[in-house]
Amino acid sequence: DTAVSQTPKYLVTQMGNDKSIKCEQNLGHDTMYWYKQDSKKFLKIMFSYNNKELIINETVPNRFSPKSPDKAHLNLHINSLELGDSAVYFCASSQGIAGRGYEQYFGPGTRLTVT
Amino acid sequence: AQSVAQPEDQVNVAEGNPLTVKCTYSVSGNPYLFWYVQYPNRGLQFLLKYITGDNLVKGSYGFEAEFNKSQTSFHLKKPSALVSDSALYFCAVKTPGNTPLVFGKGTRLSVIA
Repeated sequence: DTAVSQTPKYLVTQMGNDKSIKCEQNLGHDTMYWYKQDSKKFLKIMFSYNNKELIINETVPNRFSPKSPDKAHLNLHINSLELGDSAVYFCASSQGIAGRGYEQYFGPGTRLTVT
Repeated sequence: AQSVAQPEDQVNVAEGNPLTVKCTYSVSGNPYLFWYVQYPNRGLQFLLKYITGDNLVKGSYGFEAEFNKSQTSFHLKKPSALVSDSALYFCAVKTPGNTPLVFGKGTRLSVIA
């Protein structure tokens, strides 16, 4: 199936731990994104990569570090997890240059719970 | 800075009736406007977009939206609602260039049989 996939789907961990979320897209897209959706369903961009280069970084704490090993993958590593990091994290991708108004395709989400 | 307002947290409509989910936006420059739908425990799905051209855009599942520049609105509509349309709907806006896609807070649509 062509899609954006994320692993894991659920992640429960304790404060202070370090965790990673992986994202892969097989749509042949050039641009990938990470979003955070809080408990009130508010959705906010965290990072955007175009051809493995960081192009958007929306004042996210530096405990969050994205890594794009190639155009098809964008992983999110989180250090020293805090209670406020609990949320659903969505990966997305879009075709071509980010500024051209291409629609984004979203993964199923990773529900992170920090206890 | 760009922003999106979805004035209604919840919209209730009877099955078979027309539905409207409202969205207004604020940007400097020309907007790219989008509607997405989120079903429970799922990612967002793209419905339709306005980039340029005809103000009335048609999208997936019978949805359409009208771009109104003077009212800075991009309301989502469907002539006849289905129970399966019940979901959370997001309006989003961006401007040309490497700018982020900014989402509204979402409107929960409930279609009652």
